[in-house]
Amino acid sequence: AQSVSQHNHHVILSEAASLELGCNYSYGGTVNLFWYVQYPGQHLQLLLKYFSGDPLVKGIKGFEAEFIKSKFSFNLRKPSVQWSDTAEYFCAVNAREYGNKLVFGAGTILRVKS
Amino acid sequence: EAEVAQSPRYKITEKSQAVAFWCDPISGHATLYWYRQILGQGPELLVQFQDESVVDDSQLPKDRFSAERLKGVDSTLKIQPAELGDSAMYLCASRDSYEQYFGPGTRLTVT
Repeated sequence: AQSVSQHNHHVILSEAASLELGCNYSYGGTVNLFWYVQYPGQHLQLLLKYFSGDPLVKGIKGFEAEFIKSKFSFNLRKPSVQWSDTAEYFCAVNAREYGNKLVFGAGTILRVKS
Repeated sequence: EAEVAQSPRYKITEKSQAVAFWCDPISGHATLYWYRQILGQGPELLVQFQDESVVDDSQLPKDRFSAERLKGVDSTLKIQPAELGDSAMYLCASRDSYEQYFGPGTRLTVT
């Protein structure tokens, strides 16, 4: 079965600091990888996704993530965070062998201090 | 922009009562999902529909939970009887070829 681990449950940063949120998954086959974000009071929404090709993917609002297959990792990065990035971030994975069912990590709550 | 609709947004019920949640996916989306999100955890799939058929309900506690999507459009998730441990956010999502789109969720509190 697939599982997803997010390394930090809470992260506090000052504005303009760099962000990296860790995500590791456990599945040896071909996977699709996602980062979702949930801003306070809003729906879960897709930040970025990786299906194939260039392992460095760029998403909305200046976020990017790098797929490192050998490390089973898909870490999320942003060079300079803003107060408006305060949200909960979820890493997720699916695989065709599992019916494309999305398996989520526990989430990381990011608070950006202004 | 089309969105997934859910109602109610909040529900408080007493233990052993029945509750029902409704979801209307984005028009044209054949695949619909119900997730449960317990506080401090990520969403966990309860049931997946392809049109009106259940594709995956392996994580659905079938002794008390049921889900239907009779005409392959909107869907209802029911809990009977509700237990204290059912307190959670219940999310609905629908999918196009590339991604899942989530609704605002129903926050259930069982007292």
